Amino acid sequence: EDQVTQSPEALRLQEGESSSLNCSYTVSGLRGLFWYRQDPGKGPEFLFTLYSAGEEKEKERLKATLTKKESFLHITAPKPEDSATYLCAVQAVGGRGSTLGRLYFGRGTQLTVWP
Amino acid sequence: EAQVTQNPRYLITVTGKKLTVTCSQNMNHEYMSWYRQDPGLGLRQIYYSMNVEVTDKGDVPEGYKVSRKEKRNFPLILESPSPNQTSLYFCASSAYTSVGEQYFGPGTRLTVT
Repeated sequence: EDQVTQSPEALRLQEGESSSLNCSYTVSGLRGLFWYRQDPGKGPEFLFTLYSAGEEKEKERLKATLTKKESFLHITAPKPEDSATYLCAVQAVGGRGSTLGRLYFGRGTQLTVWP
Repeated sequence: EAQVTQNPRYLITVTGKKLTVTCSQNMNHEYMSWYRQDPGLGLRQIYYSMNVEVTDKGDVPEGYKVSRKEKRNFPLILESPSPNQTSLYFCASSAYTSVGEQYFGPGTRLTVT
């Protein structure tokens, strides 16, 4: 069964303290991996798409990387406004029980950055 | 402005009373999807639609119905709501070529008593 696991569940950082969030997946074949940011009471907001191992994407203080079985979201010198829940989702190529429209989300990492 | 709208935003109802949550997008997206979000369980896919008249089940379709008669609209129907369907619901849309790059609606908080 396809599965996405995010760790840690919660992370508290001091402003400027860099760290990484992890997303591991066990889909039969990866078509795409997606990162989202969700603020309290709002819908998720798309951040990045990664398609193949070795790929990297950057946006301001965030950099997403992908290996064959996991992805990392690196946060460099975070600020309080980076506080949010970060969600990872995967789309499988196919295989038993999977179709292209299925998206599997992890439970998210709640990031808090304090001044 | 590109957006996904949902109505209502908040709804309190009673067990067994049929309800519909509407979802509309103005981006001409082929793909639309419904999710529910529960504490500790994360975001789970209910149904999705790859295009008009094409729908398929996600992780948790039991107790829900959908239809896609127009490209812009994708309503979620609860024919006989039960308390275990109390949740925060999100609608999302994206282009067919990049299904995972979704725009999400603001959410509908549903309480079934």
